[in-house]
Amino acid sequence: GENVEQHPSTLSVQEGDSAVIKCTYSDSASNYFPWYKQELGKRPQLIIDIRSNVGEKKDQRIAVTLNKTAKHFSLHITETQPEDSAVYFCAAAGSARQLTFGSGTQLTVLP
Amino acid sequence: NAGVTQTPKFRVLKTGQSMTLLCAQDMNHEYMYWYRQDPGMGLRLIHYSVGEGTTAKGEVPDGYNVSRLKKQNFLLGLESAAPSQTSVYFCASSYDGMGGYTFGSGTRLTVV
Repeated sequence: GENVEQHPSTLSVQEGDSAVIKCTYSDSASNYFPWYKQELGKRPQLIIDIRSNVGEKKDQRIAVTLNKTAKHFSLHITETQPEDSAVYFCAAAGSARQLTFGSGTQLTVLP
Repeated sequence: NAGVTQTPKFRVLKTGQSMTLLCAQDMNHEYMYWYRQDPGMGLRLIHYSVGEGTTAKGEVPDGYNVSRLKKQNFLLGLESAAPSQTSVYFCASSYDGMGGYTFGSGTRLTVV
C-alpha cells in the first residue's frame, strides 16, 4: 500500500519568515495530494491540494509543489503569522481511493 | 447542510465494554472512512466503504468492525474495548475517493 513520509516533525519560524514542509510517497499511481491544517482538538481542515497533472498550485500565502518523478511534494507558507501555528498533515490518494497521511509537522510561529 | 456528523463526541469505556460510533453524511457520498489519530501520529485508516453494503479493511482494522447498511451511515463498532483503543476517531466521506474529503468533528474515546 501507499506510504507517506513527512519532514520535519517540528518546525519553528519567526513571524514573517517562510515555512516549508516536505513529503514523499511510495505509490507512483497516487494522483491526489492534499494538505491539512489541524488545530488542537479540531478536525483536519483542507488548506490546499494538488493533482498529479499540475506541478504547482498557489493560494495567497500558501503554495504546494509536486515532483512526480521524485515522488515528493512540499507545502510552502510565506509571511507566516502566529495563527499559522498548528499541526500540518500531508496525504496522498490514488487508485486505492483512500487517503494515506503523513505523520504531521508541528509548526510554531514565534512572534 | 450538516456535512459529516459523528456521535458521540466523547466517551469513556471500561476495558471489555462494547460501543458503536456513528457517522452520518448528507452529501450523497459513496466513500466513507474511519480513521484513528494517536498523539504524534497522523491519521491511520481503520476500515472504509466504497458504497452501501460494502466494507473493507484499512491499515489498522484489528479490534474493530464496521457496517454500511445505509449509504448515509457508517458505523464503527468495538466489541471488547482495550486501553490500546484510546484515541480520537475521525470519520470522513468522499464522492469518489479521489478528492473532496469531508471530515467529521471527531470522537474522543478513552478506555480505562
